[in-house]
Amino acid sequence: KNEVEQSPQNLTAQEGEFITINCSYSVGISALHWPQQHPGGGIVSLFMLSSGKKKHGRLIATINIQEKHSSLHITASHPRDSAVYICAGYTDKLIFGTGTRLQVFP
Amino acid sequence: DVKVTQSSRYLVKRTGEKVFLECVQDMDHENMFWYRQDPGLGLRLIYFSYDVKMKEKGDIPEGYSVSREKKERFSLILESASTNQTSMYLCASRRRTGTNEQFFGPGTRLTVL
Repeated sequence: KNEVEQSPQNLTAQEGEFITINCSYSVGISALHWPQQHPGGGIVSLFMLSSGKKKHGRLIATINIQEKHSSLHITASHPRDSAVYICAGYTDKLIFGTGTRLQVFP
Repeated sequence: DVKVTQSSRYLVKRTGEKVFLECVQDMDHENMFWYRQDPGLGLRLIYFSYDVKMKEKGDIPEGYSVSREKKERFSLILESASTNQTSMYLCASRRRTGTNEQFFGPGTRLTVL
């Protein structure tokens, strides 16, 4: 069993839909990182959070430390949101989930 | 603006060749990392470095070595490339203190024939 698990692995949506990607972890972490990877490979950081909730534009990330669970939400999804979304927990190093591939169709 | 660059976006090598992948960061970060990314397995840590001339094995160091002669540059070396090293290789860096955020390079897609 992976120490960081994401669901779903693949997700398709119509433009405008509300998207939720879930992340559960089984190890003690100091923070959770949500990077985004676009086709071509480049990875950019969306959020890093250790408690509560963060919002950036249409993206919202939440974390529940007691339940060891985090969610990434995308409101009013758009085709340009199509990417792989990765969840990663910080221990003394980053432990990555396997990613969620999101495709948003017009 | 934070920047991590990698020497090649795509690379094709033959089995047995020695392969060098270079990573350069311009943020004066102490820590640098090499990962490989494979479908269904996510990113896995190969090696990391806390400072110049320092290196530590990650989770999958077999078949790889690294070199950190200058603070801004971290090289990954495949001494004798094999087909099972065909993968996407990603370099990252971060500051030793403060935020744990890692900044990633664009990746090198290596194919070993």
